[in-house]
Amino acid sequence: DTEVTQTPKHLVMGMTNKKSLKCEQHMGHRAMYWYKQKAKKPPELMFVYSYEKLSINESVPSRFSPECPNSSLLNLHLHALQPEDSALYLCASSRTGATNEKLFFGSGTQLSVL
Amino acid sequence: LAKTTQPISMDSYEGQEVNITCSHNNIATNDYITWYQQFPSQGPRFIIQGYKTKVTNEVASLFIPADRKSSTLSLPRVSLSDTAVYYCFSTDKLIFGTGTRLQVFP
Repeated sequence: DTEVTQTPKHLVMGMTNKKSLKCEQHMGHRAMYWYKQKAKKPPELMFVYSYEKLSINESVPSRFSPECPNSSLLNLHLHALQPEDSALYLCASSRTGATNEKLFFGSGTQLSVL
Repeated sequence: LAKTTQPISMDSYEGQEVNITCSHNNIATNDYITWYQQFPSQGPRFIIQGYKTKVTNEVASLFIPADRKSSTLSLPRVSLSDTAVYYCFSTDKLIFGTGTRLQVFP
């Protein structure tokens, strides 16, 4: 199983809502990543978890709150988002988080903030 | 590799070889040159990775000169299904390049 599964595929939320994005992998990978991708732009790194510990936070606003409950699961909690946060949110995993590892990406959650 | 430059777009016809170049003047010593492919509404998919010289796998080749300041992804005999965006990627900073949108015509 070389799949990273993201749910939901689509999400529409208001600026006062609280929602969560979920990511799951069963490849035994110990590093997981959140990227944000705006239309026609490259993905931008948000967070990296390595062995369930947050190792990189790319100065992401606190309205985005990541959580890694175990090595297979990665959540992104959303609260008080702005319309400009509308984007495709991509989750990825890699074996240990070492520099030269390939990343396996999910298909993303398309988020619209109204 | 952190700051990269790629052509915005390229056009090709089925059966032709396509070469996409990425410039990365400030590549770090521990950076591996990696390329990903992305289709609309999907996540990027790993294509190939190398450190120097030439690497070949079943779908592509990667050419890296000795100074490592650039790299060229070579797709042999492209088909319509190769229409996608291609990104070079910094494994050191986990940053994608600007991306090249490849359109393959019949």
